[in-house]
Amino acid sequence: ILNVEQSPQSLHVQEGDSTNFTCSFPSSNFYALHWYRWETAKSPEALFVMTLNGDEKKKGRISATLNTKEGYSYLYIKGSQPEDSATYLCASHWMDSSYKLIFGSGTRLLVRP
Amino acid sequence: NAGVTQTPKFQVLKTGQSMTLQCAQDMNHNSMYWYRQDPGMGLRLIYYSASEGTTDKGEVPNGYNVSRLNKREFSLRLESAAPSQTSVYFCASRGPGQTPNTEAFFGQGTRLTVV
Repeated sequence: ILNVEQSPQSLHVQEGDSTNFTCSFPSSNFYALHWYRWETAKSPEALFVMTLNGDEKKKGRISATLNTKEGYSYLYIKGSQPEDSATYLCASHWMDSSYKLIFGSGTRLLVRP
Repeated sequence: NAGVTQTPKFQVLKTGQSMTLQCAQDMNHNSMYWYRQDPGMGLRLIYYSASEGTTDKGEVPNGYNVSRLNKREFSLRLESAAPSQTSVYFCASRGPGQTPNTEAFFGQGTRLTVV
């Protein structure tokens, strides 16, 4: 069973706080790890796609790291703003079924002004 | 660019009725997906299609069928709707090509209620 797990399930922070979330996935036959941002009443939009162990990607105040050997990825948000409030999803696929994209249940972030 | 287009946006069905959710993409993507979204459960994969002419089961395929009509279109059919199929359905596509580092693009979702 290919299970992608995210923690925490939800997070409330104050504006200006930095925060991070975790995504865990089976490391055997790993192929790629995706992060998506999903605002209420909209569709998920991609933040990052990472494939290499030790990979680190950054977009503005948001960054992500990847450890394929131990099967986890962190998403960091520096200086959270109210507009960062959204659900953050990670998804993975593996070499033996490389098109099958499996999502975690998401981390819901609320940033209070 | 339209991206990924789903129809309809909203639908109410009676238990036992059938319907087809339509999805089309104009990005020349090879892979297409159908997910359902339920509270607290993220996106669960129903079926996917790696390329035109192929379809495979995902995590929760029971009660659904799919058709990859051509490269652009991937439809999801509920033959006999049940209240447990009340959900928001998302279609997505990835590509072009077969490389791993391509992101998925999502449609705007179909909110289905089965009464």
